Amino acid sequence: AQSVTQPDIHITVSEGASLELRCNYSYGATPYLFWYVQSPGQGLQLLLKYFSGDTLVQGIKGFEAEFKRSQSSFNLRKPSVHWSDAAEYFCALSGGYNKLIFGAGTRLAVHP
Amino acid sequence: EPEVTQTPSHQVTQMGQEVILRCVPISNHLYFYWYRQILGQKVEFLVSFYNNEISEKSEIFDDQFSVERPDGSNFTLKIRSTKLEDSAMYFCASVGRPGELFFGEGSRLTVL
Repeated sequence: AQSVTQPDIHITVSEGASLELRCNYSYGATPYLFWYVQSPGQGLQLLLKYFSGDTLVQGIKGFEAEFKRSQSSFNLRKPSVHWSDAAEYFCALSGGYNKLIFGAGTRLAVHP
Repeated sequence: EPEVTQTPSHQVTQMGQEVILRCVPISNHLYFYWYRQILGQKVEFLVSFYNNEISEKSEIFDDQFSVERPDGSNFTLKIRSTKLEDSAMYFCASVGRPGELFFGEGSRLTVL
């Protein structure tokens, strides 16, 4: 079955600290992988995506993610978090033209 | 950058009323989707549409839901008789190349 698991429902970090949000997936082949960010009441903003090639993907706002096939993971990282990064983060996968399957999301809080 | 546009941005309706949410996908895209996000929850797939017919639908997409692309540009989601639990953000998306999915900003539906 195709699925996305985000094990952390809620994470709190201090401003300036590093961040890693976990994402594990289940899929029959190598999927297309995405990270989206959503502020309260807003739409979905694409942070980055992985299709193939280099397993370390750079995105907007200083985020990066690493695809690890052996661990079925696609964790999102940022070396230094800013207060404006507080939001909900969703990992998602698709098979190409297929529907996107989303994880449950991780809510990030940033302490000053 | 091309974008998917959705109207209305917010609609309030009475339970039992019909609602139509509209989406204008990116002009050369062929695959279209509707997703739903209940407040505080994850984004859920509703339906995909290709070649003027539904290609896949979720168990959420029951008989009270319908989609159509009446004029080759608009892609609509109709909820025939709204229930309280239909209150959610509804996102439209379109795909051009595999994995290149664009979301609209969403339509917030409030059912009273």
